[in-house]
Amino acid sequence: GPKVLQIPSHQIIDMGQMVTLNCDPVSNHLYFYWYKQILGQQMEFLVNFYNGKVMEKSKLFKDQFSVERPDGSYFTLKIQPTALEDSAVYFCASSRSSGNTLYFGEGSRLIVV
Amino acid sequence: SQWGEENLQALSIQEGEDVTMNCSYKTYTTVVHWYRQDSGRGPALIILIRSNEREKRSGRLRATLDTSSQSSSLSITAAQCEDTAVYFCATDSNMGYKLTFGTGTSLLVDP
Repeated sequence: GPKVLQIPSHQIIDMGQMVTLNCDPVSNHLYFYWYKQILGQQMEFLVNFYNGKVMEKSKLFKDQFSVERPDGSYFTLKIQPTALEDSAVYFCASSRSSGNTLYFGEGSRLIVV
Repeated sequence: SQWGEENLQALSIQEGEDVTMNCSYKTYTTVVHWYRQDSGRGPALIILIRSNEREKRSGRLRATLDTSSQSSSLSITAAQCEDTAVYFCATDSNMGYKLTFGTGTSLLVDP
């Protein structure tokens, strides 16, 4: 099936540093998402992105978070500066259109120390 | 049952048994998605049921939807060890711009 690739799969970072999580969505998909999951618990919506803009973001999407997809390259989630509570697995997803199936990557495990 | 504020539910059954997982949702949705997540992997869609459907089948899976009570169920017939995973229901917003996931049901199928 369609594949969403995420880089890196794991990253350990010092608190206060910047991290960028990269996502290569399915090629003909237009909607992109980031979700946060702590310790295998609930998938929590962070943000979605369409046509170069954030459509909706949750309360978890703090001011330190930003997303972009410059010129059709990777869809990125940047956290600057990182905090201890940012430790989680971040999942990228994409869909062809709104209301369609979301295809998820395998996640980027972020550990902030 | 899955619900927004409850902890992850856990079920343990023997191979060959049938199992049903329930999901209650709070807001209007046009479709209920059921995803499974294997350990260390991302969620993958296994079945979805739209608001104009009461039941949907796919192989050993059966999903139901009751829009009046805002609840859905996922049943697995003759569970196998490879069905061991966490199962999430997810609903879309009125605009369909995002999915909101339930708390999940952890299913363990013993041989």
